[in-house]
Amino acid sequence: DAGITQSPRHKVTETGTPVTLRCHQTENHRYMYWYRQDPGHGLRLIHYSYGVKDTDKGEVSDGYSVSRSKTEDFLLTLESATSSQTSVYFCAISENRGGHDSPLHFGNGTRLTVT
Amino acid sequence: AQSVTQPDIHITVSEGASLELRCNYSYGATPYLFWYVQSPGQGLQLLLKYFSGDTLVQGIKGFEAEFKRSQSSFNLRKPSVHWSDAAEYFCAVGAPRERLTGGGNKLTFGTGTQLKVEL
Repeated sequence: DAGITQSPRHKVTETGTPVTLRCHQTENHRYMYWYRQDPGHGLRLIHYSYGVKDTDKGEVSDGYSVSRSKTEDFLLTLESATSSQTSVYFCAISENRGGHDSPLHFGNGTRLTVT
Repeated sequence: AQSVTQPDIHITVSEGASLELRCNYSYGATPYLFWYVQSPGQGLQLLLKYFSGDTLVQGIKGFEAEFKRSQSSFNLRKPSVHWSDAAEYFCAVGAPRERLTGGGNKLTFGTGTQLKVEL
């Protein structure tokens, strides 16, 4: 299994509070991604990174920000959590050569509940 | 833009029975196609992928999938299901030569099919 650790695994927070989720990889892969998984929607890309300090938005980026100050760590921040952000969040990585020849490897997810 | 449909939300099969999970895609040319499996509490694991060539592809855990251009389908099959196959299965599509900024994978996922295996 790819060395991907997501923390925390579970979190309950209140509306309006900031939340940061962490993804740590030991594979030295260039690309890192944050997805959210919701029933009836599958997985949707929030943000991703193509290198240290290089990030871009995905299809559902509103309300989220990211940072990548080191190759191994990719942080997802909810600036002011809302109930609509209750979801399961997955981090994924892919190898340096990029493209679809480099499949995604996923972490085990973080279950976030916003009350 | 590409899209993918998994028509079956839930499927129940008996252990030892055959399995077919459906996946239909929409794209103007031949896309890259993937099947992922998600066990409870786990992340997604790649089962198999199709880029080109032989339209029947073999994957891990005894799964196979067949690309049918005329039907825009990429159905996942297994001849004999084991209880440990109970999981959620996701089909995903990627467009050749389309990447995210900086070269990352641009994948569109289906909504998933939950497989239950009866003993």
